Amino acid sequence: DGGITQSPKYLFRKEGQNVTLSCEQNLNHDAMYWYRQDPGQGLRLIYYSQIVNDFQKGDIAEGYSVSREKKESFPLTVTSAQKNPTAFYLCASSSSRAGTDTQYFGPGTRLTVL
Amino acid sequence: GENVEQHPSTLSVQEGDSAVIKCTYSDSASNYFPWYKQELGKRPQLIIDIRSNVGEKKDQRIAVTLNKTAKHFSLHITETQPEDSAVYFCAASQYSSASKIIFGSGTRLSIRP
Repeated sequence: DGGITQSPKYLFRKEGQNVTLSCEQNLNHDAMYWYRQDPGQGLRLIYYSQIVNDFQKGDIAEGYSVSREKKESFPLTVTSAQKNPTAFYLCASSSSRAGTDTQYFGPGTRLTVL
Repeated sequence: GENVEQHPSTLSVQEGDSAVIKCTYSDSASNYFPWYKQELGKRPQLIIDIRSNVGEKKDQRIAVTLNKTAKHFSLHITETQPEDSAVYFCAASQYSSASKIIFGSGTRLSIRP
């Protein structure tokens, strides 16, 4: 678990602002993922990337954007187009593109819109 | 697409008793089934997983069973302890070039002293 980090731990945003959440891993994992978790809810996939310079939309990609310029990094931008961004955001990584490899999660970023 | 249903959504058991959480999945091609435990405010952590070539797997007080014909799998926790209190997520996925894990909605397990 220590090999995947997220920052910041808490983030406050005013309406209309874009914010970027950081996710870094030193596990040499090919695949990285972003999930959103609302109180009492499960994990919903926002975006995932199986290789550098490539990423795919998940189930709730609207209002979010990502980049994968480096293998170690997969930042998530929450744009002003996301109407209800307050949530707990989790980044994960796995060793290969195969879905049968374990995903390891970062500690999460709790985003609050003021 | 793949769908994973998880039951119950909440579960309360007496300390020392067993707890069972059940999941069903829709895609018969799924062949990997991990279970995650998430304590309050923390990250989900893998506690056990099973692949489709086995029907049961145990790790101390935790076991997972898989019935591929019925497309369901279950988590069994025996001799429950207070530290077992958490939210548990099941998930299913398959090996493919564009695969991703689909999570269940979670079960909040409470252990009564």
